[in-house]
Amino acid sequence: GGIITQTPKFLIGQEGQKLTLKCQQNFNHDTMYWYRQDSGKGLRLIYYSITENDLQKGDLSEGYDASREKKSSFSLTVTSAQKNEMAVFLCASSIPRTSGNTLYFGEGSRLIVV
Amino acid sequence: QQNVQQSPESLIVPEGARTSLNCTFSDSASQYFWWYRQHSGKAPKALMSIFSNGEKEEGRFTIHLNKASLHFSLHIRDSQPSDSALYLCAVSMLSGSFNKLTFGAGTRLAVCP
Repeated sequence: GGIITQTPKFLIGQEGQKLTLKCQQNFNHDTMYWYRQDSGKGLRLIYYSITENDLQKGDLSEGYDASREKKSSFSLTVTSAQKNEMAVFLCASSIPRTSGNTLYFGEGSRLIVV
Repeated sequence: QQNVQQSPESLIVPEGARTSLNCTFSDSASQYFWWYRQHSGKAPKALMSIFSNGEKEEGRFTIHLNKASLHFSLHIRDSQPSDSALYLCAVSMLSGSFNKLTFGAGTRLAVCP
């Protein structure tokens, strides 16, 4: 079995600061995702990447950048942290199939803006 | 834009009870239907999925899909305290060549011993 590792588990930054979250997977999956989880709002897709060096915007990409330099890693940057962005950020990976794809998630990184 | 709604928002049931969680979706072209479970502070994990109308049972869990009514549900038989978690439904459909998953806001289940 594989694992998805997200670092750091907690990221504390100041308003306006640029902050980066990292994700590593050893499933050898092609596709990786970043989701944002807010209480009462479910998971919303920020960015995804279907292969190394590919980047696709999700529904919530404004204010974020992403980078996929290796197949196994996917990072997310909050370009200017705001207090209303405090949430849990979840990384996931999958093998995309037309018959449906199971997502495997990491445990999340909690962003705290002070 | 796909709209996925879950009900109820939260639920408290006694140990041994049968629990039902509901999910509605807006796009009739949706293809796959999932339930994910997330224990507090942990990663969401896929529990079950279904793609055709009807029922699918795995152990104490049954998923039921009715595409015509844009509704699917998860039933838990003999609920256990270890079932206490956030349950997320998700719906997937092809967007170009990408299988896009849209999640509901979740139902928080507490099973009391």
